[in-house]
Amino acid sequence: SQTIHQWPATLVQPVGSPLSLECTVEGTSNPNLYWYRQAAGRGLQLLFYSVGIGQISSEVPQNLSASRPQDRQFILSSKKLLLSDSGFYLCAWNHRVGTEAFFGQGTRLTVV
Amino acid sequence: EDQVTQSPEALRLQEGESSSLNCSYTVSGLRGLFWYRQDPGKGPEFLFTLYSAGEEKEKERLKATLTKKESFLHITAPKPEDSATYLCAAQGPSGYALNFGKGTSLLVTP
Repeated sequence: SQTIHQWPATLVQPVGSPLSLECTVEGTSNPNLYWYRQAAGRGLQLLFYSVGIGQISSEVPQNLSASRPQDRQFILSSKKLLLSDSGFYLCAWNHRVGTEAFFGQGTRLTVV
Repeated sequence: EDQVTQSPEALRLQEGESSSLNCSYTVSGLRGLFWYRQDPGKGPEFLFTLYSAGEEKEKERLKATLTKKESFLHITAPKPEDSATYLCAAQGPSGYALNFGKGTSLLVTP
């Protein structure tokens, strides 16, 4: 069966510091991968998606970037965090567009 | 612009008291309508996918239905363990994004 791992679970970072969140999927190959952010009082918002190694599409312009160095690895990064980057970050995967996406357990990021 | 609106924002039920959650969507060319359950501090857990008007899916005490403008999540004889936030998401033909509603926070009391 497929599993998705996301870490760390919680993170407190100072403004201006770098960020790296990692997500890996096991038990499948060539998945579509996604990074979502869930802010308080708002719905989940898609930040990035990837349909293959090295292929990244951004849905929302922002202070973040994403990379996919391996088929089942997706990384969310920032060079300098802003207070507004605080939120709950979720990684997800699916087999193809139009099918259900499966989410990781999320990372709670607090920028102080 | 594609939009998904869920109502009510919060719902409190007594154990055994059945009810329905609503998800209204304005997505032309719907590719899929998805329901998720989210517990506090956790990632969303997939429940159902609906693809066409008239389709219904069931799982234990939950039943999801779809029309051309909205979806309902019916909860029959809920138990306290059904307490969670229920999220609805719609996907249109133009991209990879799931358009999520803000969710309905359900509390079931004994």
